[in-house]
Amino acid sequence: EIVLTQSPGTLSVSPGERATLSCRASQSIRSDYLAWYQQKPGQAPRLLIHGASSRATGIPDRFSGSGSGTDFTLTISRLEPEDFAVYYCQHYGISFYTFGQGTKLEIK
Amino acid sequence: VQVVESGGGFVQPGGSLRLSCTTSGFTFSNYEMNWVRQAPGKGLEWVSYISSSGNTIYYAESAKGRFTTSRDNDKRSLFLQLSSLKVEDTSVYYCARRLPAGAAFDTWGQGTLVTVSS
Repeated sequence: EIVLTQSPGTLSVSPGERATLSCRASQSIRSDYLAWYQQKPGQAPRLLIHGASSRATGIPDRFSGSGSGTDFTLTISRLEPEDFAVYYCQHYGISFYTFGQGTKLEIK
Repeated sequence: VQVVESGGGFVQPGGSLRLSCTTSGFTFSNYEMNWVRQAPGKGLEWVSYISSSGNTIYYAESAKGRFTTSRDNDKRSLFLQLSSLKVEDTSVYYCARRLPAGAAFDTWGQGTLVTVSS
């Protein structure tokens, strides 16, 4: 089973600055099956990025995804107040899905 | 496009519950669906997948043998039968639609809370 490890656990960044979140897989995975989600308190997750780098419908271009193999990154170029939330990466394998444990992005 | 879960509630350990997910705004029968849960204060955990026809179903290890996923395409609905419930099954259960291309979940419901406690 593939394990996704996100780092850091908590990231403190000021509004307007850049945030870089990491997701590392325990073995090489297909980029097609790597996604990123945002979740705010009391809300359902929202799809941000699929296929490692494709923005979902309606997602602002300040969100970008990159990576391949075992290392993937979500970058938020200029943080807006509404971007402070928990972010999860997700992988689809054959017959199962795996989520990372999440990175909490908090206001510095 | 909307998915709405229902059926959550309070149940004792060993008990059962049936969750429903009703959908609208899209052709339900064309989409693969999933259940994902989230324990209080914890991260996301995938529970189950069902193909568009209902012929293929996958479960997480934590769900195998206790949970059953099904769907009724005529009623545009997804179901999750929870049995032999444990305290650690306490979670918000989300219904999520899978993107046609790729494997991400593009539409989520608001979730329904299942509390297992004596």
